[in-house]
Amino acid sequence: GAVVSQHPSRVICKSGTSVKIECRSLDFQATTMFWYRQFPKQSLMLMATSNEGSKATYEQGVEKDKFLINHASLTLSTLTVTSAHPEDSSFYICSLDREANEKLFFGSGTQLSVL
Amino acid sequence: AQKITQTQPGMFVQEKEAVTLDCTYDTSDPSYGLFWYKQPSSGEMIFLIYQGSYDQQNATEGRYSLNFQKARKSANLVISASQLGDSAMYFCAMREMNSGYSTLTFGKGTMLLVSP
Repeated sequence: GAVVSQHPSRVICKSGTSVKIECRSLDFQATTMFWYRQFPKQSLMLMATSNEGSKATYEQGVEKDKFLINHASLTLSTLTVTSAHPEDSSFYICSLDREANEKLFFGSGTQLSVL
Repeated sequence: AQKITQTQPGMFVQEKEAVTLDCTYDTSDPSYGLFWYKQPSSGEMIFLIYQGSYDQQNATEGRYSLNFQKARKSANLVISASQLGDSAMYFCAMREMNSGYSTLTFGKGTMLLVSP
């Protein structure tokens, strides 16, 4: 069964609004979750590493004030795209691992379209 | 330098034939894992197969096998007896175990189209 639940699967919003994406671990406690972004016909690029109870670690070039990550519990991490603009339109996908150095489990992804 | 290189943007194969998707990698970490994921048009990432750097034998999972050539730093995915449902994007990825935090680095992907 699914290990990771991600919602919403698709969101359309107006430019300037904020959008929150949730990523839930369904059957185990995840101290670390990863957020990726994927533009059309491109690969997945790591945006940030979400650590439970501490600040997220952002990759170079990713604006931490624009992409707010909250990992307040061992089963939930949220990504909030603040003041979204059309260039933020992308596929966002979260992932986590159940054991260190094993495969990552992925959420089903969120397609964000900013008008 | 790119850590994962997939040189085939697209591949065509006929149903029931075998196909090889290429992947080369670059790392100085002696401990690493290599992964293949399938991404259909729905966007979900489906794990296919894993090869550890210390594994002596090539990994196999059903119709999927990984041709691991460590000296050449290649980890090609072989899909036997292709099916129409295999049409999707395929990503090769690597996880370096001794990095500060261990997540996946992905290649650019190969789009596989299986024809009847």
